[in-house]
Amino acid sequence: GAGVSQSPRYKVTKRGQDVALRCDPISGHVSLYWYRQALGQGPEFLTYFNYEAQQDKSGLPNDRFSAERPEGSISTLTIQRTEQRDSAMYRCASNLDGNEQFFGPGTRLTVL
Amino acid sequence: GDSVTQMEGPVTLSEEAFLTINCTYTATGYPSLFWYVQYPGEGLQLLLKATKADDKGSNKGFEATYRKETTSFHLEKGSVQVSDSAVYFCALSSYSSASKIIFGSGTRLSIRP
Repeated sequence: GAGVSQSPRYKVTKRGQDVALRCDPISGHVSLYWYRQALGQGPEFLTYFNYEAQQDKSGLPNDRFSAERPEGSISTLTIQRTEQRDSAMYRCASNLDGNEQFFGPGTRLTVL
Repeated sequence: GDSVTQMEGPVTLSEEAFLTINCTYTATGYPSLFWYVQYPGEGLQLLLKATKADDKGSNKGFEATYRKETTSFHLEKGSVQVSDSAVYFCALSSYSSASKIIFGSGTRLSIRP
């Protein structure tokens, strides 16, 4: 079946612009996670949802970052007033239950 | 807080060599342990996992044993192939971390023909 998909795969934006990154999890998966991966590092947790409820947003670096999952399926990670330090790979993962998470291909964000 | 420390790379080996990538962890309670792999141009894939002490995860010739006494989960393969060239991430998930995965910084592995 279809895996986790993310769009766009690549996003180049100018500093100060807002960006919205989309994640479409595996159908039926309850939990959805967002991670950020800097070059040469492992992914770092940002936030996660069970169904439409945001359970933990402790990893969001500041209030320019927000996420939603209004219908318990697709999720959007929004970064307002982007800065160069926001450049990274943004990864989404989903799971049904238990602890195995399935990752999408990621969105590579470059802020000029 | 929970954390994972893994061997720094890059690691370069010849084909058919023995591979070990060291990984140690710090966690409260009893975490599940994972190795993820990222092949060039692809996303993160789960390679293997172990959910309790002394479990051995295995896949594609790779193995790792959950050692609670040494808080380790070292990745091994007896004979590597060029196609094993990738970045390998050790990771954990625990109840105290609310099921989010905590990753090590990754080890880049290159295999020479």
